[in-house]
Amino acid sequence: AQKVTQAQTEISVVEKEDVTLDCVYETRDTTYYLFWYKQPPSGELVFLIRRNSFDEQNEISGRYSWNFQKSTSSFNFTITASQVVDSAVYFCALSEVSGTYKYIFGTGTRLKVLA
Amino acid sequence: SAVISQKPSRDICQRGTSLTIQCQVDSQVTMMFWYRQQPGQSLTLIATANQGSEATYESGFVIDKFPISRPNLTFSTLTVSNMSPEDSSIYLCSVRQGLEGYTFGSGTRLTVV
Repeated sequence: AQKVTQAQTEISVVEKEDVTLDCVYETRDTTYYLFWYKQPPSGELVFLIRRNSFDEQNEISGRYSWNFQKSTSSFNFTITASQVVDSAVYFCALSEVSGTYKYIFGTGTRLKVLA
Repeated sequence: SAVISQKPSRDICQRGTSLTIQCQVDSQVTMMFWYRQQPGQSLTLIATANQGSEATYESGFVIDKFPISRPNLTFSTLTVSNMSPEDSSIYLCSVRQGLEGYTFGSGTRLTVV
């Protein structure tokens, strides 16, 4: 069965600190997608990144970076020089690439960035 | 990416009543998805709605409680029936955007009193 684990329920950091959000997944599929979403207090889900299981290249986008390691089934997300506006709940998700393409979401990590 | 308009954005309802949530997409999509997010919890898929066929419900969700309509390729509704306080959640609709993943509506924050 597919499963996404975000072991960190809540993290608090001081502004300008770096923070890494962990995501570990389980799947028997050889092809799949991994995603990160941000959910600010307003409630909408904001897409951050999609990663194909065949592409293990790390990615950097501004202050955000993602480390995908198939060997450990992890897809971790790092925010560099965190800002108060980064405060949100962050969800990692796994998607099959056939059939209904439905998502399996992790339980989310609430990040609080303190000024 | 698609733009999804979801309404109402929030509502407070009396127990025993029903609420219909609407989801309008600005482009035609084959599959639409409805999720529930209970307070402090992750998102759980309720059902997948295909145009022209019955919705497919996930384990733990039934059509009598969460009837779904999908009259065309740009619109869907989810009804939360005979509500109880346990139904207080955020309900989100979603569409798949090719290889880009999913786009989500802004959510409906439902409180049942």
